[in-house]
Amino acid sequence: AQRVTQPEKLLSVFKGAPVELKCNYSYSGSPELFWYVQYSRQRLQLLLRHISRESIKGFTADLNKGETSFHLKKPFAQEEDSAMYYCALEYGNKLVFGAGTILRVKS
Amino acid sequence: DTAVSQTPKYLVTQMGNDKSIKCEQNLGHDTMYWYKQDSKKFLKIMFSYNNKELIINETVPNRFSPKSPDKAHLNLHINSLELGDSAVYFCASSLLALREGRNEQFFGPGTRLTVL
Repeated sequence: AQRVTQPEKLLSVFKGAPVELKCNYSYSGSPELFWYVQYSRQRLQLLLRHISRESIKGFTADLNKGETSFHLKKPFAQEEDSAMYYCALEYGNKLVFGAGTILRVKS
Repeated sequence: DTAVSQTPKYLVTQMGNDKSIKCEQNLGHDTMYWYKQDSKKFLKIMFSYNNKELIINETVPNRFSPKSPDKAHLNLHINSLELGDSAVYFCASSLLALREGRNEQFFGPGTRLTVL
């Protein structure tokens, strides 16, 4: 079955520290993966997508098919990165979301 | 200029009542979705409509009935509300049905439903 696992419910780091939000997926086909973010009092929005191979707000995510992972990384966390992050897998015209990880960046 | 809007933002009601949540998008998108976010923040798709036709219908009780009068609107009607229906319901839209990682979903602000 298609599944997205985000093992950490909460990740707390200090400003300037590296960040890695973990995401593992279970899917037999060729995966299309996304990271969505929800900042406080804002709506859920797309952060980046695997197909674009882009860096948004300093975040990158690399698809590792061998480890079935799509971890989100940023070398130096900023306070404004504090938010809820969802990893999502596209499957059959829909998105399957992970449980989400709250990132708290402390000053 | 709100892209995807939902009404109401908060809904508090008694068990057994029937209620509706409305969603509208002004992005000209063809596909709309309803998601449920439970108390643990887990986000799960419920329904999806493409050009007013139902294309995704997850395992959702029959008490939930989506209605799409036109491409820009997707409403959610819930009959005989139960305590377990308490959640935040998100509407979303995308230009086309999701395909090959090319289409972004745009989300509404959510409707917090509390069933007493």
